Amino acid sequence: DAKTTQPNSMESNEEEPVHLPCNHSTISGTDYIHWYRQLPSQGPEYVIHGLTSNVNNRMASLAIAEDRKSSTLILHRATLRDAAVYYCSPFGNEKLTFGTGTRLTIIP
Amino acid sequence: KAGVTQTPRYLIKTRGQQVTLSCSPISGHRSVSWYQQTPGQGLQFLFEYFSETQRNKGNFPGRFSGRQFSNSRSEMNVSTLELGDSALYLCASSLVGSASSYEQYFGPGTRLTVT
Repeated sequence: DAKTTQPNSMESNEEEPVHLPCNHSTISGTDYIHWYRQLPSQGPEYVIHGLTSNVNNRMASLAIAEDRKSSTLILHRATLRDAAVYYCSPFGNEKLTFGTGTRLTIIP
Repeated sequence: KAGVTQTPRYLIKTRGQQVTLSCSPISGHRSVSWYQQTPGQGLQFLFEYFSETQRNKGNFPGRFSGRQFSNSRSEMNVSTLELGDSALYLCASSLVGSASSYEQYFGPGTRLTVT
């Protein structure tokens, strides 16, 4: 299974952009890169996913490195509701593989 | 559209007992996956069902089993519970399995405590 590396924690000011990095250097060529976030006592919530090119949706943007060994989740204007643990995961063999994630703290 | 539901939300069992957890996927979703989440091990894949067939299985002992019904609802069973089975058990559904281009939708989980 592909392994992921993320910073344990990050802080950001409210209404500022946030860039959350993820290293997945052993990702398979056909695995999509998925991002989820989790609040305490809740199940993970889907954020975004992509394969090779950059992706945008109403929640965030995903920038994928050309060699696909890393990606960055971009929250354009962080709000207090974005405070959560963020997980990136290659998706292969019908399963996600979460690492320890990044705990994002938003400073009002 | 209703989200993924899991029952029960909380459960306390004694070592040696068995437990059955239930998951109802989003309407129209045919793939259901089960994960175990613990502070120490993080999120670990248990198994995935698609159209009533188990397509993939993680590295868990045979005490962990599951099944999927024709309406896509799924159950997982853990027999002979051990203290180490205490965890949050998460169910995720997706529109079509095997294609990693589809997002997974998680339920709120069942918090199992084994005493």
